[in-house]
This record gives sequence, C-alpha cells and structure tokens, in this order.
Amino acid sequence: NAGVTQTPKFRVLKTGQSMTLLCAQDMNHEYMYWYRQDPGMGLRLIHYSVGEGTTAKGEVPDGYNVSRLKKQNFLLGLESAAPSQTSVYFCASSLVLQGFDYGYTFGSGTRLTVV
Amino acid sequence: DAKTTQPTSMDCAEGRAANLPCNHSTISGNEYVYWYRQIHSQGPQYIIHGLKNNETNEMASLIITEDRKSSTLILPHATLRDTAVYYCIVRVPRAAGGTSYGKLTFGQGTILTVHP
Repeated sequence: NAGVTQTPKFRVLKTGQSMTLLCAQDMNHEYMYWYRQDPGMGLRLIHYSVGEGTTAKGEVPDGYNVSRLKKQNFLLGLESAAPSQTSVYFCASSLVLQGFDYGYTFGSGTRLTVV
Repeated sequence: DAKTTQPTSMDCAEGRAANLPCNHSTISGNEYVYWYRQIHSQGPQYIIHGLKNNETNEMASLIITEDRKSSTLILPHATLRDTAVYYCIVRVPRAAGGTSYGKLTFGQGTILTVHP
C-alpha cells in the first residue's frame, strides 16, 4: 500500500516553461488536494477535488490548473512557470465516511525551482 | 475555521511526555480539533482528531477542555524521531459527495525538539 505518491520529487524549470505534477493514491479516497508550502507561510491550498471529474479553486489558484480524470490521479499543471512558483508542492487525499473525514494522507512532496 | 494559537517552540527530553497546548477560543459547536505534524522535508502526517471527548490512538492522546476552548496533544514517551513541527487545526468535517468547500489550513505550528 503506497498511500499517496508524487512525481517528480525534484524539478528545475526555466521561466515560461510548463510542467505537470502527478499525484496518485491507492486508497480509493474521494477527496484530493494540492498544496504549496513556502517558508513562513505554512501550507496553502491551491486546488482540490471532491471526486472524479470535479475540481475547485483553493486559496492560491492563479497560475495553476488541475484535472481529475481518474479517481486515483490528481494532476497539477503549470502552464507558464514563474519564479514565484518556486515552492514545495504537496498532494493529499482524504477518505470521507458518513459525512466525516478521517484525516488527510500526504505525499512526500515535489520540490520545484523556477529560475 | 476557528483560529488557533500555539507556542512557537517547545523542548522535551527523550522518554518523557511531550505536552503540546493549543488555544481555540472561538471554536464552534461542530468544529473538530485535528493535530498533524511535519518532520523536516517530509509531508505532513495526521496524528489524531476529536470533537469534545478525549481521544487516544497508537501515536498520541488528545485532551480537550470541557469548554472546548483549548486542547493538549500528549506524546507519552517522546523519541528523537518525534522532533517535528506540530500543527493544531480546528475545522468542520465536510459533507461527502457534495461540492461544499473544504480545506485544511495549517498555521505556524509548534516546533517540538526532543533532546537525548
């Protein structure tokens, strides 16, 4: 049981380049999330999904797009990377039963540097 | 989600209990208290959550005051591997299958350092 797997673990991009971060979970969780973590800023929600085919904006969605074509996968895209998007990105998923969630499972993170 | 206040840092000797406090004086009746931790360079890890009763699992115990305005996370026998940033979060569980907004807002947390 791998839990939540993020790929890649590290990436360096040039300004203006695009890339996709992949998140895969094998726990059959309905809800999935993308966060970014910056020094002194804590975790900030970028986008989330409450089920296959659905996505919604979080606190800091600008410059990012997401897709949830399959329940187990949640993709985060950067169409034109900017230095301000240098960050550590975490994916998470959560199980919801009878209206209550039982905690989030996080991936190990992707360290992205935009130069 | 209600705002939480935690000490910036705490120290604990290895083998002793670590008691991490959290104030959430504006908590509403349907908000739960969650604790997560983040070990350096790793993703956050869920520890425990509760509504009003004290809770215990294999990792920790959660003590919530009767008025629910504060809580304490207890690591009964801290080890060096428990050194991490601990986050107290107060939030309402979301409805499954709906489009209700849900997020997990991490504040600055408490840096717990366990010493040999």
